[in-house]
Amino acid sequence: ETGVTQTPRHLVMGMTNKKSLKCEQHLGHNAMYWYKQSAKKPLELMFVYNFKEQTENNSVPSRFSPECPNSSHLFLHLHTLQPEDSALYLCASSQDKGGYNEQFFGPGTRLTVL
Amino acid sequence: AQKVTQAQTEISVVEKEDVTLDCVYETRDTTYYLFWYKQPPSGELVFLIRRNSFDEQNEISGRYSWNFQKSTSSFNFTITASQVVDSAVYFCALSEAKMAQKLVFGQGTRLTINP
Repeated sequence: ETGVTQTPRHLVMGMTNKKSLKCEQHLGHNAMYWYKQSAKKPLELMFVYNFKEQTENNSVPSRFSPECPNSSHLFLHLHTLQPEDSALYLCASSQDKGGYNEQFFGPGTRLTVL
Repeated sequence: AQKVTQAQTEISVVEKEDVTLDCVYETRDTTYYLFWYKQPPSGELVFLIRRNSFDEQNEISGRYSWNFQKSTSSFNFTITASQVVDSAVYFCALSEAKMAQKLVFGQGTRLTINP
């Protein structure tokens, strides 16, 4: 595997379900990100992790719970979501801190909340 | 606060035509970074270019070229002799040095190249 991988690629869940999205990066990076891409808004940064520590939470509702067990893996735990949470969830990684280090993205998980 | 505007929601051209995608940004920071990403139907964003605020030199990479003008706060992207494979959504993004990991994206421009 190369680059940034995400599983599952598609997920349909009810509002009472609990599910998790997984992201893995094979680039040796130490920063990882979750983004939300919905039809009506630009790409929105949700969370940032640096060296497994959360350094940014962009006012994300608590029904989204991230977890970063190591620099290569990032999870997004979902519970009691709303239909408006349906979106493409993208994971990204980068090397170190600094805007001059471009972020590399995975293919995303297309989430539908019924 | 930083902001990126891509006024063109959709562009459709015939193959081999040249096409320019516009990007206008706002920032109060004197040091910032500008990016272009391509999102094909498969979903992942593909990094195309990064530009630092202190480097206004334009860049050409094959059929792609970028025009960075601080005077107009613009970072436009031109595809020369477009091809069907160029069809995708293109995003312009900005990050400020003081919050370097926070990428702010424009709405994106959906580019369709017709054969």
